[in-house]
Amino acid sequence: KAGVTQTPRYLIKTRGQQVTLSCSPISGHRSVSWYQQTPGQGLQFLFEYFSETQRNKGNFPGRFSGRQFSNSRSEMNVSTLELGDSALYLCASSLTGLHSGNTIYFGEGSWLTVV
Amino acid sequence: GDSVTQMEGPVTLSEEAFLTINCTYTATGYPSLFWYVQYPGEGLQLLLKATKADDKGSNKGFEATYRKETTSFHLEKGSVQVSDSAVYFCALTPAGGSGGGADGLTFGKGTHLIIQP
Repeated sequence: KAGVTQTPRYLIKTRGQQVTLSCSPISGHRSVSWYQQTPGQGLQFLFEYFSETQRNKGNFPGRFSGRQFSNSRSEMNVSTLELGDSALYLCASSLTGLHSGNTIYFGEGSWLTVV
Repeated sequence: GDSVTQMEGPVTLSEEAFLTINCTYTATGYPSLFWYVQYPGEGLQLLLKATKADDKGSNKGFEATYRKETTSFHLEKGSVQVSDSAVYFCALTPAGGSGGGADGLTFGKGTHLIIQP
């Protein structure tokens, strides 16, 4: 079956712009979570959505937001981009969420460069 | 909060050498433990997992045993290949049965492994 699909794979934006990234989870998976990966901070949890509701949120400013649709596809949005937002953004899906026992599968990521 | 500590490297080994990458964690209860691998320019791939104490996860010649007494989940492989060169991440999800996400996956900083022919 198809894995986690993220689009676009690569994009370049200018400071102050906003960006929307998309994620299609594995079929049947209802939980989608997002992570930011940078060389300095490593992998950091952004938020998790389950059945169209944000269930948990990491320690990121309000410029980072997301949503989930009824078909479990998810989008994340970053407004007023800063240079420090340049990162690999990873989407992950699982059947029912991030609690013990579930396996979390990752997409290949969206590389965002802010200039 | 929960945390994961692993050696960052780079770790450089010759082909066919024995590999150990140490991983220790801090968490309440019995979290699930994972090893993920990231090849250059790619996302994360699940390598193996263990969900309870003394469980051994294994895949592609890699093994790791969930040690509650030492809060460790060290990754081992008996004979590494050049194709194993990648960054390896140890991670955990918190214990809990309600299904509600807590703090997401908590990752270590990653260990860059380089295998020389």
